[in-house]
Amino acid sequence: AQKITQTQPGMFVQEKEAVTLDCTYDTSDPSYGLFWYKQPSSGEMIFLIYQGSYDQQNATEGRYSLNFQKARKSANLVISASQLGDSAMYFCAMREGLVGGGYNKLIFGAGTRLAVHP
Amino acid sequence: DAGVIQSPRHEVTEMGQEVTLRCKPISGHNSLFWYRQTMMRGLELLIYFNNNVPIDDSGMPEDRFSAKMPNASFSTLKIQPSEPRDSAVYFCASRKQESYYNEQFFGPGTRLTVL
Repeated sequence: AQKITQTQPGMFVQEKEAVTLDCTYDTSDPSYGLFWYKQPSSGEMIFLIYQGSYDQQNATEGRYSLNFQKARKSANLVISASQLGDSAMYFCAMREGLVGGGYNKLIFGAGTRLAVHP
Repeated sequence: DAGVIQSPRHEVTEMGQEVTLRCKPISGHNSLFWYRQTMMRGLELLIYFNNNVPIDDSGMPEDRFSAKMPNASFSTLKIQPSEPRDSAVYFCASRKQESYYNEQFFGPGTRLTVL
């Protein structure tokens, strides 16, 4: 079964508007972490934002925020005031287990390609 | 500070040849990961090390692939013999296990083409 599901292969948004990229996950571990990475056309993977399963508040980092709905097992990325430079692939990933545990690999979704139009 | 360093950035080789990819993690990081990215299969974890010890190599496709981490500042991923289906971008990532977010920092990748 898919552990991380990103149902939107591609999205587009007008510059300066907000956009939501969907991510659902599946785990039975009560301790986990959720990550979003950005991959521009140049190829590097850039860490954007993190949400821990026990965090009470939604994570925010500048124009990025994570809409964490634990009961629905969703961790959607919201990008506010989109910029042309936001055009990229976006990957949602999950770490199962506590931070510092011995088995802390990341499981990645298939990604969503975002295009920002002027 | 330097990020994760990978070499070469691009590699073109012929089927049957040995290929060695290299990675230097961020200084002070104690976990290292090798990933492969293809259009068909997305981003796959091949193997990861904690404190230079291989922890999980269940993602290594077959015996043609091997990885080593002889010390905290260097790792190699070797494919011998290489096949056209090994063509992909190979990423190395490192992490400081005790960091708050436990996030992985990725290198720029090596684009491998096997003809």
